[in-house]
Amino acid sequence: GAVVSQHPSWVICKSGTSVKIECRSLDFQATTMFWYRQFPKQSLMLMATSNEGSKATYEQGVEKDKFLINHASLTLSTLTVTSAHPEDSSFYICSARDSAGVAYEQYFGPGTRLTVT
Amino acid sequence: AQSVSQHNHHVILSEAASLELGCNYSYGGTVNLFWYVQYPGQHLQLLLKYFSGDPLVKGIKGFEAEFIKSKFSFNLRKPSVQWSDTAEYFCAVNDGGGYNKLIFGAGTRLAVHP
Repeated sequence: GAVVSQHPSWVICKSGTSVKIECRSLDFQATTMFWYRQFPKQSLMLMATSNEGSKATYEQGVEKDKFLINHASLTLSTLTVTSAHPEDSSFYICSARDSAGVAYEQYFGPGTRLTVT
Repeated sequence: AQSVSQHNHHVILSEAASLELGCNYSYGGTVNLFWYVQYPGQHLQLLLKYFSGDPLVKGIKGFEAEFIKSKFSFNLRKPSVQWSDTAEYFCAVNDGGGYNKLIFGAGTRLAVHP
């Protein structure tokens, strides 16, 4: 149980284009999902908290107009990187909290590797 | 603000050696602590967690961690490592806020040689 999927697993896009990454909780409902960014050989940095049916909460320093988050259902959150640039190349990881489970636990997706050329 | 420090950035061990990875956190209130493992090319997996109760927590794959409140520490241990334990290990603490966000340490890269 408690499986989180991400799609795509990797994507290459040209500078200036937008890319959408999906995060799905497959066997549970997730009122809250989180988006992280991980640079090579570094830790996970929380970008934003995604809440079903309401606006996402962004961490300090994260441009909300550049990283658009939509949490339209209890099993799906999307992250859109708008007007991507090479510095946006990174590993993006989502996690989800089981609405019916322990409040402190998060289940992580496999990540999406974005390369902007 | 809460923070998590992992002292060892890169650890190299031989198989059967004992492992201890340090983790210290800064938050002084009630905390929930976690150790995650990321095997090469795979996603984060929960190794173990501490919410309350017995400060010695046992996790999967023979790992354990001890919560020492007076030292703000939650060190990860394994008495005898295997080659398959080669991975990156992250300590995390939840921030105690409404969303229970996780604050991660920088990670420790463990390489186990046969």
